[in-house]
Amino acid sequence: GDSVTQKEGLVTLTEGLPVMLNCTYQTIYSNAFLFWYVHYLNESPRLLLKSSTDNKRTEHQGFHATLHKSSSSFHLQKSSAQLSDSALYYCALKGTGNTGKLIFGLGTTLQVQP
Amino acid sequence: EAAVTQSPRSKVAVTGGKVTLSCHQTNNHDYMYWYRQDTGHGLRLIHYSYVADSTEKGDIPDGYKASRPSQENFSLILELASLSQTAVYFCASRETGGDSDYTFGSGTRLLVI
Repeated sequence: GDSVTQKEGLVTLTEGLPVMLNCTYQTIYSNAFLFWYVHYLNESPRLLLKSSTDNKRTEHQGFHATLHKSSSSFHLQKSSAQLSDSALYYCALKGTGNTGKLIFGLGTTLQVQP
Repeated sequence: EAAVTQSPRSKVAVTGGKVTLSCHQTNNHDYMYWYRQDTGHGLRLIHYSYVADSTEKGDIPDGYKASRPSQENFSLILELASLSQTAVYFCASRETGGDSDYTFGSGTRLLVI
């Protein structure tokens, strides 16, 4: 079945260093839709990025990701971490079929330290 | 502004009691979802609905019921609350369309004692 893997549960960085959060997925659907959601403490999870286009870079709010269907990956990156980036990040895959449901990874907590 | 509103924001329930979590959306979206969030498990789908008066089981439906009396409202019901149902619950809505994303509510923190 469909699945999303985020191997890192916690990533701790010093402010100013680059960010890379890993996401890989499995699906039989050739037209996969991938999403990154960010969840700040005491707020609602909200969309950060989404893509269904192979090898096209998608950017928003300083973050970027490129969907690589050949490696089933959609890693989230940022050139320079900020303290305000500290949050829980979810990678998600739109499941096959017509349910519209998203399958989420376990999430990666990003902690940015001064 | 389109929104998803959950109530209550937090609740303490007694084991074996009945709990109802409510969700209201003003997005005019057809799809609505209930997820639970647990450390180490991410967000897991409990129930969802794509039309009023109809609900579907998600990935972890055991111990939960859902009700969609109207397009705007979607409730999650725990008939006999158990300790293992302590979690944060999120409701979300989504419009029809392949790459449509979710609009989440602010969550309900449920503690079962």
